[in-house]
Amino acid sequence: QKEVEQNSGPLSVPEGAIASLNCTYSDRVSQSFFWYRQYSGKSPELIMSIYSNGDKEDGRFTAQLNKASQYVSLLIRDSQPSDSATYLCAGRGGNEKLTFGTGTRLTIIP
Amino acid sequence: GAVVSQHPSWVICKSGTSVKIECRSLDFQATTMFWYRQFPKQSLMLMATSNEGSKATYEQGVEKDKFLINHASLTLSTLTVTSAHPEDSSFYICSWGEGQVNQPQHFGDGTRLSIL
Repeated sequence: QKEVEQNSGPLSVPEGAIASLNCTYSDRVSQSFFWYRQYSGKSPELIMSIYSNGDKEDGRFTAQLNKASQYVSLLIRDSQPSDSATYLCAGRGGNEKLTFGTGTRLTIIP
Repeated sequence: GAVVSQHPSWVICKSGTSVKIECRSLDFQATTMFWYRQFPKQSLMLMATSNEGSKATYEQGVEKDKFLINHASLTLSTLTVTSAHPEDSSFYICSWGEGQVNQPQHFGDGTRLSIL
């Protein structure tokens, strides 16, 4: 099992709908989790971080963590064309290193 | 927030050339810097962890003699790709953390390296 797994997509969502991005992880990277957005040709930018079970909301973004199922997700409400990007899930274990998933390419259809 | 300047942003050079990439922290002291490489349509792969004043720690499969990392001060870390070849063409990104397991890493703007 890969340490962090994501569905590579592409995921297409109509404008205004909710985009749901999912990620599973192994025991080795189970302490904290981060969602990054990466536009083509650019470096990743942090969207959300989460390390406690449950939901964490920031504007149109909600991160959800379920440690029992080893599952972390990112919901984007009221999707906009500018949300079209690759979303990277990353997990961290006991040291400082992040482990990234392969990313999910999201396209918002106007 | 913390600002890191990475340059050059883009470089094209001939095979066999050595290329130096710099990451400079502008408003904080970066004890630890991470260097990533990203090939097209792939995720970020950690190459090495650079610690100020000590030798870098390389990930398995990364040649330390080819990818020279220097972190001689708290504000500057450099990655030198020595004798670069076309297969080294990639997007190289530096990154730094906030020192705690629950804190995120932030990324420089990246350097796109193309070797002809």
